[in-house]
Amino acid sequence: EAGVTQFPSHSVIEKGQTVTLRCDPISGHDNLYWYRRVMGKEIKFLLHFVKESKQDESGMPNNRFLAERTGGTYSTLKVQPAELEDSGVYFCASSQAGQGFEAFFGQGTRLTVV
Amino acid sequence: DAKTTQPTSMDCAEGRAANLPCNHSTISGNEYVYWYRQIHSQGPQYIIHGLKNNETNEMASLIITEDRKSSTLILPHATLRDTAVYYCIVRVRDDKIIFGKGTRLHILP
Repeated sequence: EAGVTQFPSHSVIEKGQTVTLRCDPISGHDNLYWYRRVMGKEIKFLLHFVKESKQDESGMPNNRFLAERTGGTYSTLKVQPAELEDSGVYFCASSQAGQGFEAFFGQGTRLTVV
Repeated sequence: DAKTTQPTSMDCAEGRAANLPCNHSTISGNEYVYWYRQIHSQGPQYIIHGLKNNETNEMASLIITEDRKSSTLILPHATLRDTAVYYCIVRVRDDKIIFGKGTRLHILP
């Protein structure tokens, strides 16, 4: 069974440009989460989808970040316009809905804004 | 904020058991204890989880105290590939994972 897949694995963009990150969760997982790790800091929660609905977006840093999950399958995270402080590794995770199910993480997208 | 307390770092000799402690004194009755690890820059990897009973899988064992206020992750025969940051997390079903600083485990040859 395929795990959580993220595209691209690396992205280097200039300040002011737009970048879209994609996450394909494990098939059948209703829960999808986005996280970010800025260099030297802890992994921080960004938001949580249940199917196509945003359950919790309390971690989104500002309105330059837009996450979508149309149809409740894959998700995209768009940063527009990108700023230098957006650099970091963006992780996606998915889990099966229900009591105690573990979340599985993708390998992340390393975003560098120059 | 993370609801757990872990030592910042630990060392363990290769081939020995690595015992990683975690305090979660404010855990609620419906919260599970999860352990994840992050090896270098890879995505966090699930290790094990439990509610109140001790658990064992092919990677590790999880010992939870009777009052559920603390737990220990045991890697029975640590190898160099187990060098990583280990995160102890408490979480209700489906909720987001809140990562703390974790324990940086160094396996010594």
